[in-house]
Amino acid sequence: DIQMTQSPSSLSASVGDRVTITCRASQGISNYLAWFQQKPGKAPKSLIYAASNLQSGVPSKFSGSGSGTDFTLTISSLQPEDFATYYCQQYNSYPLTFGGGTKVEIK
Amino acid sequence: EVQLVESGGGLVQPGGSLRLSCAASGFTLSDQYMDWVRQAPGKGLEWVGRIRNKANTYTTEYAASVKGRFTISRDDSKNSLYLQMNSLRTEDTAVYYCARASGTRYSSSWHWYFDYWGQGTLVTVSS
Repeated sequence: DIQMTQSPSSLSASVGDRVTITCRASQGISNYLAWFQQKPGKAPKSLIYAASNLQSGVPSKFSGSGSGTDFTLTISSLQPEDFATYYCQQYNSYPLTFGGGTKVEIK
Repeated sequence: EVQLVESGGGLVQPGGSLRLSCAASGFTLSDQYMDWVRQAPGKGLEWVGRIRNKANTYTTEYAASVKGRFTISRDDSKNSLYLQMNSLRTEDTAVYYCARASGTRYSSSWHWYFDYWGQGTLVTVSS
């Protein structure tokens, strides 16, 4: 199975900050990497697929990059509605696997 | 508008069975792969399994933790996805989400990524 490791597991940031979350795959997954946002008590929301493609309706303050084993999700200017937990997920091979999540909290 | 609405969750004893449903609307279900993903209380997301579309003869994939106990099926004529859960264990307690997977073609192969999620339904396995 491909292990997905996210770092950090949590971070504190202020409104307006630029935030970067990293995700590392235990083996190469090309660009078959997605990112999701989840707020407490809510379903995940799809943000990015194929490492860098924004899902329809997702604001351009979110961006993704990477290929192979190392990936990043960047939020260019953190807003109050962005405080949430973020997950990466590989869809290169079965079983599909998720990272452990990064909780973004208000400083 | 794409909508996915799960139902069927509840309290069940260890060793029992439960069937979850996911009602889909706003798109042609037969074109899509569909998945179940779960989330134990306070934990991260765990993929449960997938059913491919009609063009791929509705074949399935499962996580090792549920293989042989859970079965995914679909009825495209009813715009519905199902998860039959048997031999339930306390560790199956979770919110279960259905998710739509859309495909993109890279080189000679297709890859399927989640784009829409349902709101989830809670399954509690406890005596």
